[in-house]
Amino acid sequence: GENVEQHPSTLSVQEGDSAVIKCTYSDSASNYFPWYKQELGKRPQLIIDIRSNVGEKKDQRIAVTLNKTAKHFSLHITETQPEDSAVYFCAASGLAGYDMRFGAGTRLTVKP
Amino acid sequence: EAQVTQNPRYLITVTGKKLTVTCSQNMNHEYMSWYRQDPGLGLRQIYYSMNVEVTDKGDVPEGYKVSRKEKRNFPLILESPSPNQTSLYFCASLRWGGTFGSGTRLTVV
Repeated sequence: GENVEQHPSTLSVQEGDSAVIKCTYSDSASNYFPWYKQELGKRPQLIIDIRSNVGEKKDQRIAVTLNKTAKHFSLHITETQPEDSAVYFCAASGLAGYDMRFGAGTRLTVKP
Repeated sequence: EAQVTQNPRYLITVTGKKLTVTCSQNMNHEYMSWYRQDPGLGLRQIYYSMNVEVTDKGDVPEGYKVSRKEKRNFPLILESPSPNQTSLYFCASLRWGGTFGSGTRLTVV
């Protein structure tokens, strides 16, 4: 089955800096790659996703890139703010999100 | 509003006492799943269901059961809970990213 690895496990940045979280996956059949943000004590929430026919997607300060050949994808957050502090999870699945597998998570801390 | 409703939010129980965590979704999705979240291990899939009466094991199914008698409900059953099942549980309907329930923090003593 699919195996998703995520790095780093913790990341600390200064407010205004950029943050990058990287994930690799093992199953070449995976074609849907969402990212979730989980604030303390809350449920994970979808923040951005990318499908295998797209190389990059942006939404304001957040972007995701996908390299299908290398089987890796990354989350980029620019101009970080303290409210970006949370745990971020990457995930990979087949079409439409069936059988989704998650990375172990990255705890991002943005220092004011 | 698209919702996955999960109950209870918190549960403390004793070893061996059967319990059920309920999950209901209002999005008419076929696909639903259960995850457990443990520090450093991320979200691991326990069971999933592709449709009514169709369920299958995820990565960590031991000690758990599920049923899918109707599309909207997907309860998680622990027939004989043990302390290693102390965890944070999420029900989810993850079609195109989807929605998680609010979580159940289970403690088995």
